[in-house]
Amino acid sequence: KQEVTQIPAALSVPEGENLVLNCSFTDSAIYNLQWFRQDPGKGLTSLLLIQSSQREQTSGRLNASLDKSSGRSTLYIAASQPGDSATYLCAVNSGNTPLVFGKGTRLSVIA
Amino acid sequence: GAVVSQHPSRVICKSGTSVKIECRSLDFQATTMFWYRQFPKQSLMLMATSNEGSKATYEQGVEKDKFLINHASLTLSTLTVTSAHPEDSSFYICSASSGGIGETQYFGPGTRLLVL
Repeated sequence: KQEVTQIPAALSVPEGENLVLNCSFTDSAIYNLQWFRQDPGKGLTSLLLIQSSQREQTSGRLNASLDKSSGRSTLYIAASQPGDSATYLCAVNSGNTPLVFGKGTRLSVIA
Repeated sequence: GAVVSQHPSRVICKSGTSVKIECRSLDFQATTMFWYRQFPKQSLMLMATSNEGSKATYEQGVEKDKFLINHASLTLSTLTVTSAHPEDSSFYICSASSGGIGETQYFGPGTRLLVL
């Protein structure tokens, strides 16, 4: 059974810092991996989707990497801003089962 | 493209009443829709998967008579919480996919349910 773990559970950084969020999964036979952002009381916003054949994806200040063999993904946020404050969720798609989510990392960027 | 809406966004109801939540795919045909539940500061918990025109598949521990799911068309799925109780208060999120389980899911904005 696929399990997804996100570390740290919460993170507080000063504005302008670069930061890394971590996601690990137990079964490396995945179809793709997706990073989401969730603001309090809101739904999910898809940030980046990495197919199993890809190593990384970039969108603006965000860069997501995938190391399928070791069961790890990282989300790198450059030059963090207060508007980046949210919960970031990692979800793994194993292709024949529903998405499995991690518990998320709660990020606070302090001005 | 790939927009999913939910209605209502918030609902407050009395204990014992039933509440219906709608999930719509606005610009694509959703072969498969998923319903999730999220408790405060917790991750999403999949409740059920529904395919258009067939019965939903419920996850272990989810009461199908309590949470009725209907996916009657390729753009609409509904979740009805029957005889709601305070412990059913939660954030309910749906997602939709134009393919099967392995395809990209697009998420709705969620519905906050409060049962008094």
